[in-house]
Amino acid sequence: NAGVMQNPRHLVRRRGQEARLRCSPVKGHSHVYWYRQLPEEGLKFMVYLQKENIIDESGMPKERFSAEFPKEGPSILRIQQVVRGDSAAYFCASSPFSGTGGYISNTEAFFGQGTRLTVV
Amino acid sequence: QKEVEQNSGPLSVPEGAIASLNCTYSDRVSQSFFWYRQYSGKSPELIMSIYSNGDKEDGRFTAQLNKASQYVSLLIRDSQPSDSATYLCAVRGGGFKTIFGAGTRLFVKA
Repeated sequence: NAGVMQNPRHLVRRRGQEARLRCSPVKGHSHVYWYRQLPEEGLKFMVYLQKENIIDESGMPKERFSAEFPKEGPSILRIQQVVRGDSAAYFCASSPFSGTGGYISNTEAFFGQGTRLTVV
Repeated sequence: QKEVEQNSGPLSVPEGAIASLNCTYSDRVSQSFFWYRQYSGKSPELIMSIYSNGDKEDGRFTAQLNKASQYVSLLIRDSQPSDSATYLCAVRGGGFKTIFGAGTRLFVKA
């Protein structure tokens, strides 16, 4: 969906470097989700953020990974000291809804085009 | 047991046939169910959502949900070669995160 913008589309990093992935949600959306997709696998939930708050980071590795969604600007997924196993496609999705149970229509309907991270 | 299970395929059907994609889930409190289509190298695209038992139709697509059996399916009628993609089943409970299956690859032969 053209509304969610991710950049860069492709990112190559050497082992030990830092990777910064950016996600600008659909205008007016204040909820962002990050997912990781390894080749031939489904999407794995990483983290759910609202503006200035991390709501659920249960899918994030305990070390080297962090995410933020500041009051102004895009959401950032940061991976420090990258390793080859971090090579994957990272997708961001945005929603205008809170995601707190009940019947939620179009939750996470809007995915960005993804950032494909390659660690060499 | 995986939380959301799909047959990885590939599922191959001739053009014009009905493609049937299946998904089972383990969390009984799941409330929202989604089907996404993902072309190779592209991002997932939401094609169907369903919340209550029964069938939901949208064009050539029909989603079916059976909460008692913890089963959700997607039927694609009059399959076209352009339907060839990976179809991801996704399930959401009362929490924040949506759990995705690994996807079923569908090939529609012209």
